[in-house]
Amino acid sequence: QKEVEQDPGPLSVPEGAIVSLNCTYSNSAFQYFMWYRQYSRKGPELLMYTYSSGNKEDGRFTAQVDKSSKYISLFIRDSQPSDSATYLCAMRASSGSARQLTFGSGTQLTVLP
Amino acid sequence: DAGVTQSPTHLIKTRGQHVTLRCSPISGHKSVSWYQQVLGQGPQFIFQYYEKEERGRGNFPDRFSARQFPNYSSELNVNALLLGDSALYLCASSFGTENTGELFFGEGSRLTVL
Repeated sequence: QKEVEQDPGPLSVPEGAIVSLNCTYSNSAFQYFMWYRQYSRKGPELLMYTYSSGNKEDGRFTAQVDKSSKYISLFIRDSQPSDSATYLCAMRASSGSARQLTFGSGTQLTVLP
Repeated sequence: DAGVTQSPTHLIKTRGQHVTLRCSPISGHKSVSWYQQVLGQGPQFIFQYYEKEERGRGNFPDRFSARQFPNYSSELNVNALLLGDSALYLCASSFGTENTGELFFGEGSRLTVL
């Protein structure tokens, strides 16, 4: 079983829809949670960065972390064709040698105009 | 400001050969990490370097090695290439070692092993 599970999709939605992307994880040591966006043939770009449980909002993006359920989500409101990309969740522990990020496998999103 | 730059962008090698990939971090960033991304998968951690010292290593064989130079640039070396080494190799930089969540990635070096 992978430490981080992410529905690979693909996910296709009409422009203006609300998109929900999710990851589950098994390592209770994870404290920092991130969402990256990766366009085709490009490197990942950091979208959201949260610590521990709770919500964080940035424009059309909202990240939620529920540590009790080991579940994180990214919501995209008023989705645009330019949001079409692969979305990767990532997480890491807070200390010790495990400072590397552990990524999900990514969800491919297409927003249709 | 220049972001993380990687070279070469694309390369083709044959099994058994050796490859060197290069990375220049964002100016002022002292930590460099390397990740391998196989098609259809998320990036997988290979190494982290900070101030020229290895600070973390992922579950990769000894054929993979890296180093960081005094100017904080870095090289990833892979010996005795296998077909399974075909992937996008990503370099990421951050200011220090603690805030690795705020990693800034380059566009990667796409390696094809024939």
